[in-house]
Formats: sequence, C-alpha cells, structure tokens
Amino acid sequence: KAGVTQTPRYLIKTRGQQVTLSCSPISGHRSVSWYQQTPGQGLQFLFEYFSETQRNKGNFPGRFSGRQFSNSRSEMNVSTLELGDSALYLCASTLSAGGNNEQFFGPGTRLTVL
Amino acid sequence: QQQVKQSPQSLIVQKGGISIINCAYENTAFDYFPWYQQFPGKGPALLIAIRPDVSEKKEGRFTISFNKSAKQFSLHIMDSQPGDSATYFCAASKSGSEKLVFGKGTKLTVNP
Repeated sequence: KAGVTQTPRYLIKTRGQQVTLSCSPISGHRSVSWYQQTPGQGLQFLFEYFSETQRNKGNFPGRFSGRQFSNSRSEMNVSTLELGDSALYLCASTLSAGGNNEQFFGPGTRLTVL
Repeated sequence: QQQVKQSPQSLIVQKGGISIINCAYENTAFDYFPWYQQFPGKGPALLIAIRPDVSEKKEGRFTISFNKSAKQFSLHIMDSQPGDSATYFCAASKSGSEKLVFGKGTKLTVNP
C-alpha cells in the first residue's frame, strides 16, 4: 500500500510569491491534516480536512489556506510569501476523523523563501 | 503558549543503555498521547501511543509511562541501539479532532 505522497519535495520561491503544495493520502484515508515544521517552532498544526470540509484550523494568518477534493487529495496554498514561511510542510492522513487515530505522515515539502 | 513541554532537547546514550524522554501537558482535555520518531529527510512515524485510562504501555523495547495526576508522560527506550538515533516527538490530542499538539522534540544519539 502506497504511503502519503507530497509534491513537490523541494520548492524555492521569492518573497511575495505564492505557492501551492499537494498531498495524496493513503488510499482509503479520508482525513488529511497539514503541519509546518521549523527548527524554532517545531511542528505546528495548520489545518484538518475531512470529506472536503475544514474541521480545524491552527493559529496561522489568512495567507495560509487549504482545500480537500472529493478523492481526499488535499492542497495548501500560501500567498504573499515571507522569509519566515521557509519550513518543511508535512501532510498526514488518517482513515477517518474524530480524533485519536494514527496519523501517517508524508515526507514533506521543503519550502525555501528567498 | 506551549501546551506540551518536552525534555531534554538532546540526549546521548551508549548502546544498550536506557533512553528516557519526558513530556508534560497542560490541557486536561487531552486524551490521546502518541510518540513519533523522525529520521532526517523523513516525515514523523508513529512509535507508540497511550490513552489516559492506562498508566503504562509497552511495545517491544519502547514503553510509555503515564501519570494523569501530574499531567506527565514519558518514553523509555530499553537496550538503545544506534539505529534508534533520531528525533522523538511527544504529542497530545483530544477527542473529536485529529489536531496533534507536539512537543519541541528530543534529538537522541546512541553511540556504538
């Protein structure tokens, strides 16, 4: 069974640009969550989606947005990039929603903002 | 506000030794406490998890100890091996959400 896939794996952008990251969950998984990982702040929750609906959102500015499609694939978008957005963005999928489920993480997308 | 505090930040142990990582949480609504292991260039992978209705859970060389009254939980790695060298994260979540609140991580180095 294929794991969580994230594309692209690496991305370099300049300040002010926008970026879209993609996540394909494990087949059959319907819940997708996104996290930002930085050396200073660690792993921070961005959003949680289930059945195309955002169920939870972390404390990030409105420049960060996401969506989920009917096939459970998810995308996140960051507009007007800032240097501080440089991070590893991780996607995790779970079979269902409701909490206390094992989350399977993808390898992440490394975003560098110059 | 850091809801899950993890210590130590880094840990060096000898092969065969015991590695102990501690976490403390603030939100009493948390009812699921997983530990994740992350190798460089990889996403975190679930190692072991516990719910507050038990005080200890063991899976192979890995044991979680849970103290509900103190709001603390810890990971013990017995007979630590060089292959265990990785960053370990504790986390917490509450029912109804897949949102995980992570500790800052512990970089474990096991010397041969």
